Amino acid sequence: AQSVSQHNHHVILSEAASLELGCNYSYGGTVNLFWYVQYPGQHLQLLLKYFSGDPLVKGIKGFEAEFIKSKFSFNLRKPSVQWSDTAEYFCAARYGSSNTGKLIFGQGTTLQVKP
Amino acid sequence: KAGVTQTPRYLIKTRGQQVTLSCSPISGHRSVSWYQQTPGQGLQFLFEYFSETQRNKGNFPGRFSGRQFSNSRSEMNVSTLELGDSALYLCASSLGQGPNTEAFFGQGTRLTVV
Repeated sequence: AQSVSQHNHHVILSEAASLELGCNYSYGGTVNLFWYVQYPGQHLQLLLKYFSGDPLVKGIKGFEAEFIKSKFSFNLRKPSVQWSDTAEYFCAARYGSSNTGKLIFGQGTTLQVKP
Repeated sequence: KAGVTQTPRYLIKTRGQQVTLSCSPISGHRSVSWYQQTPGQGLQFLFEYFSETQRNKGNFPGRFSGRQFSNSRSEMNVSTLELGDSALYLCASSLGQGPNTEAFFGQGTRLTVV
């Protein structure tokens, strides 16, 4: 079955620490991958996306992710986090090349950054 | 440009009642998807509409239904509400359909069933 898993459910970091959030997706042929962020009280916002090409994807606010096909992974990274990065982060996959926008989400990772 | 608008923001309903949630997509967007977000199950896909046609449906009982109007606005309906239907219901709109389109999310409707 198509699925996405995030291994870190709750991460606590101090400001300026480096961040890496894990995301693995199940095999399912063609896959597009996304990272979304949900700040407290706000809507889901797209951080970055991978469709094809360069496996290192840069997004907004200094975030990047690396698509490693052999490991079915799409980990999110940021070299130095800020207090304002406190939020919930969701990895998502969209399978297939057919006309569907269906997203399959991971369980989410709550990031708490201590000032 | 206005984002995805969902109304109402909060709802409290009693078990057995039915509820209708509304979603207005970004102007020009023709695809609307609905998701249910709960602490236990996370974000789960409900259904997707494009040009008034349901394109895809998630694994939810028939009590959950939806529709899309000619102006791309969408509604979802839940009949015979159960306590477990308490959740944040999110709507997302996209310019078109297909895997390479970006989905923009609304702030959601928080439904509480008592």
